[in-house]
Amino acid sequence: SQKIEQNSEALNIQEGKTATLTCNYTNYSPAYLQWYRQDPGRGPVFLLLIRENEKEKRKERLKVTFDTTLKQSLFHITASQPADSATYLCALDRTGANNLFFGTGTRLTVIP
Amino acid sequence: EAGVVQSPRYKIIEKKQPVAFWCNPISGHNTLYWYRQNLGQGPELLIRYENEEAVDDSQLPKDRFSAERLKGVDSTLKIQPAELGDSAVYLCASSPREGAQSGYTFGSGTRLTVV
Repeated sequence: SQKIEQNSEALNIQEGKTATLTCNYTNYSPAYLQWYRQDPGRGPVFLLLIRENEKEKRKERLKVTFDTTLKQSLFHITASQPADSATYLCALDRTGANNLFFGTGTRLTVIP
Repeated sequence: EAGVVQSPRYKIIEKKQPVAFWCNPISGHNTLYWYRQNLGQGPELLIRYENEEAVDDSQLPKDRFSAERLKGVDSTLKIQPAELGDSAVYLCASSPREGAQSGYTFGSGTRLTVV
């Protein structure tokens, strides 16, 4: 079965710095990789999707990279703000399966 | 638009009692998912519906869990009888048919505590 590892359980950074979160996976290569944000007591909120044939995707201060050789995705938040503090989840889907497998998440804290 | 609506938000029951969760997905979304999220973990799929058909229920503990999606809209997830290990957050999500290509929309979840 698919195994997904997110680099660390918790990450603390100073406001204004770039936060980099890692998602590593084993076994099959997904057709799509998604990133979600989850706040305490809330459901995950979709942020970005990247396809297996894409290297990089950007949305405002967010950037996602996808390296199918390394079986890794990096999620960057530039100019981080305290409001970016949350848990970030990566999720993978196989071609045609329409079934997302989620990692355990990384809890990001941006310190003012 | 209201988004995915789940109720109740919280539920505390004694073990061996039954419990039911309700989900109203986003209008027009064909696909509905029930996930379970344990503390400090990512969500894990329990069941996926395409319209009213359960197309993936391989992770649903069928001895005590059941689900239905009548008329391909609202859905209910039931546990009978509940066990202590069922304490978790139960999340409902919906998406267009090819949700993997567009992202899922999740509800706020139902936090179940079994005592």
